[in-house]
Amino acid sequence: DIQMTQSPSSVSASVGDRVTITCRASQGITTSLAWYQQRPGKAPKLLIYAASSLQSGVPSRFSGSGSGTYFTLTISSLQPEDFATYYCQQANSLPLTFGGGTKVEIK
Amino acid sequence: QVQLVESGGGVVQPGGSLRLSCGASGFTFAYYGMHWVRQAPGKGLEWVAFIQNIGLFKHYPDSVKGRFTISRDNFRNTLYLQMNSLRPEDTAVYYCATDQQGYYVSRWGQGTLVTVSS
Repeated sequence: DIQMTQSPSSVSASVGDRVTITCRASQGITTSLAWYQQRPGKAPKLLIYAASSLQSGVPSRFSGSGSGTYFTLTISSLQPEDFATYYCQQANSLPLTFGGGTKVEIK
Repeated sequence: QVQLVESGGGVVQPGGSLRLSCGASGFTFAYYGMHWVRQAPGKGLEWVAFIQNIGLFKHYPDSVKGRFTISRDNFRNTLYLQMNSLRPEDTAVYYCATDQQGYYVSRWGQGTLVTVSS
C-alpha cells in the first residue's frame, strides 16, 4: 500500500496569511493526488484533483502542485471559512490511502 | 442537486452485522463508481470500499476484506455496505461518496455513525 505523509499536522495562521501544506507519497504516484477540506462536524469536500486541477466551485485562492512523491496545497490568502482540516489522498492505485490530516487553526 | 443520504448506522455488539444504505438522487447513479469512506471518532479518513458503476469490479483494503461487501442497485439508486464480524475498531462515521474518474472521491453524504461495543 502507498503511505501518505502530511506535514505539518497542525498550523496556526491569521486571516490573510499564505499557508502551505505538504504531502509525501511513499512511492511515485505521478500526479494522481487529491486534496480535501473537512470542517468540524461536516463531510469532506474535494478541493483539488490530479494534483493541480481545481474542483468546480472551489475558490481560486486554493492551488495544488507537485508530482511523483512530493505535493503541496497552498491557500494564498486565508479566509475565516478556511479554518478546517485538510487531507491529501493518492488516487494512483487501490487501496486508496489518505494522509493523516493538517489542521489549520486560528492564530 | 446531488444528494447522498446514508442510513442504517447504530450500535452493534462485537461479532455482529449491520447493513448500511446510501440513497442517491440528483444525478445518474448508474454512470458513477461509488465509494465508502469511514472516519473513527477524532481520527482521519480511511477508504473502505469501491464499486464500479455496473457493479462488476469491487475492491477493499485488507482491514475489511472478507468481512465487508459493497453492492449497489442501479434501479433503486441505492448503494449498500454489508458489514459482518464487526470489531470495536470498525467504530466510525461511514460516508458514501461518488467517484470522479481517476479514483477521486467527489461528492459525499452526511455520514452515518456505526458503534461497535458490548
